[in-house]
Amino acid sequence: AQTVTQSQPEMSVQEAETVTLSCTYDTSESDYYLFWYKQPPSRQMILVIRQEAYKQQNATENRFSVNFQKAAKSFSLKISDSQLGDAAMYFCAYRSGGATNKLIFGTGTLLAVQP
Amino acid sequence: GAVVSQHPSWVICKSGTSVKIECRSLDFQATTMFWYRQFPKQSLMLMATSNEGSKATYEQGVEKDKFLINHASLTLSTLTVTSAHPEDSSFYICSGWAALEQYFGPGTRLTVT
Repeated sequence: AQTVTQSQPEMSVQEAETVTLSCTYDTSESDYYLFWYKQPPSRQMILVIRQEAYKQQNATENRFSVNFQKAAKSFSLKISDSQLGDAAMYFCAYRSGGATNKLIFGTGTLLAVQP
Repeated sequence: GAVVSQHPSWVICKSGTSVKIECRSLDFQATTMFWYRQFPKQSLMLMATSNEGSKATYEQGVEKDKFLINHASLTLSTLTVTSAHPEDSSFYICSGWAALEQYFGPGTRLTVT
C-alpha cells in the first residue's frame, strides 16, 4: 500500500524568506500524481501544486515550486518570498495513476509565517 | 476552478438523532465523490467513496450503517450520520475530481451534544 510521510509537524519562516517542506512517499507504481494542498484557518482545502510522475520537470506555480526526486521518492515544496497569507497547514498527497483515484494524505506540516 | 458546496456548514444535534450533510458539485459532474473526516490539527481521513447510482465503498473501520452515503445524481452526494453520539463530533469534508484536480467542499462542523 502507498504511504505518504511528512516528517515536519511544524515549521516557521520569516516573511519574505524561503522555506522548504518535506514529503516522502512509498509506492511500487510507476504512474502516479503528487499534490501539495494548503488548508488555512478557514479549513478550505486549496490545491497548491501538482506533479505528474512521468514528467521530469519540476512543477512551478508562481512562488511555489517542487523538488521531485522520483528515485528517492521525495517531493518537497519550496515557498519563496513567504507571505503572511501562506500561514496554513500543508498536506502532501499521492494519487495512483490507475483506476483508483483516492488521495492518500500525509500528516501535514503547520507553517507559521513571522512578520 | 470547480466549486463544491456543502450544507450545512455547522450543525449541532442531540445525541441519538440523525443528521444529513449535503455535498454538491456546482459546475461539474462527479460520478465519484469522497467523504473525509478531520479532527483538529490532524490530517484528512478518508471515510468512503461515493459512487453515483451504486453503493458507496467504505474504508476499513468505518461503520457503513452509521455513516449512510447516497449519491443520487451526478452533482449530489449526501452523508447521514445516524444515531449520532458525541464521539461523532468532527469536521466532515467532501470532494470530487474535475480533470486532474480534486476539489474540496468547505466542510461541515458537526457537534453532537
